[in-house]
Amino acid sequence: NAGVTQTPKFQVLKTGQSMTLQCAQDMNHNSMYWYRQDPGMGLRLIYYSASEGTTDKGEVPNGYNVSRLNKREFSLRLESAAPSQTSVYFCASSPGGGNQPQHFGDGTRLSIL
Amino acid sequence: QKEVEQNSGPLSVPEGAIASLNCTYSDRGSQSFFWYRQYSGKSPELIMFIYSNGDKEDGRFTAQLNKASQYVSLLIRDSQPSDSATYLCAGGKTSGSRLTFGEGTQLTVNP
Repeated sequence: NAGVTQTPKFQVLKTGQSMTLQCAQDMNHNSMYWYRQDPGMGLRLIYYSASEGTTDKGEVPNGYNVSRLNKREFSLRLESAAPSQTSVYFCASSPGGGNQPQHFGDGTRLSIL
Repeated sequence: QKEVEQNSGPLSVPEGAIASLNCTYSDRGSQSFFWYRQYSGKSPELIMFIYSNGDKEDGRFTAQLNKASQYVSLLIRDSQPSDSATYLCAGGKTSGSRLTFGEGTQLTVNP
């Protein structure tokens, strides 16, 4: 039972490069989320998709774009990476609604030089 | 004021003791609360959720919710070294799609 799968697990980029982080869930969940986690900062919501076909900004959306490709997949794109975007990125999914728990992928550790 | 605040920690308890992790929230519209455990270098893992006032027990874990005081807690009885992790509190609203996470409390259980 895979749950939430993120790729890649690790990535090193140079400043100005672009890349897309992939996330897929096999739990038939409606809602999907992208967070970043920095030391001492907790989880900060970047973007989320409450349902297929919708996306909304979270707390820290600047420098990122997202695509909800279908019900299963939600990708996060960095168009021009900056050192400040060095972080651990987590994708999560939930059945939908703020009364439902979110289930997290294993994370992507991204370093930008 | 942060929407969800946790006791800053780090918290250190001896093996076998009760660990008490606390969380307060500012939005009275929050109705659902979740506790996640996160081991170093790993992703958050859901361990408890609570929707109603009172206590909810699951094995060695008890979640407590007091909506009047806007307070959520997690008690870990008979703490084990394997409980050493960061614990995240999160709150959500039935009408919304998001959870608001606290910054976490680091717990160390000493053998």
